[in-house]
Amino acid sequence: GDQVKQSPSALSLQEGTNSALRCNFSIATTTVQWFLQNPRGSLMNLFYLVPGTKENGRLKSTFNSKESYSTLHIRDAQLEDSGTYFCAAVNTGNYKYVFGAGTRLKVIA
Amino acid sequence: EAAVTQSPRNKVTVTGGNVTLSCRQTNSHNYMYWYRQDTGHGLRLIHYSYGAGNLQIGDVPDGYKATRTTQEDFFLLLELASPSQTSLYFCASRLGGLNTLYFGAGTRLSVL
Repeated sequence: GDQVKQSPSALSLQEGTNSALRCNFSIATTTVQWFLQNPRGSLMNLFYLVPGTKENGRLKSTFNSKESYSTLHIRDAQLEDSGTYFCAAVNTGNYKYVFGAGTRLKVIA
Repeated sequence: EAAVTQSPRNKVTVTGGNVTLSCRQTNSHNYMYWYRQDTGHGLRLIHYSYGAGNLQIGDVPDGYKATRTTQEDFFLLLELASPSQTSLYFCASRLGGLNTLYFGAGTRLSVL
């Protein structure tokens, strides 16, 4: 089965609203990374997390290692937030990054 | 932010052709990776390396070779390209252990 499962797979948000994306892990991991792939295809780092919470502007992410999940909260969504959000977990056995399938987000005016 | 440079950005070749994709990072990172991205599959690891001269097999290695010639340079080789290798290829690097992964801008490869 999927080692890193993202939900939802796709999402449409009205500009100015809030939402949360989620990753569930079935591998042993102590770090999580979130990326945004913009419509041009570039992959940008959003967060690198050990267990805990980080915040950057309108984005906040939490990693709960005991319950094996991470969330990415988007506050006051803007058109430029559109793209595909990926989470990746570091497999502590071999240091490989295992990626989720992504959440495609479209923010509409 | 760490810089990872891929070349070429776009490549078209024919079935059976020979292709080399290049990746360079000047961040003194130890680990370098090659991924492919296809609709419905997300990012899949082809090969990776812990340092110059080292090569590790990824999850989808068939049809690909890789070589890490220096700390900075990691190459992906397709010696007999097939249409199934049409994809978006990403190189990535990180310092080591548990550190942030940085991606290049990607190479779009079409095999006709």
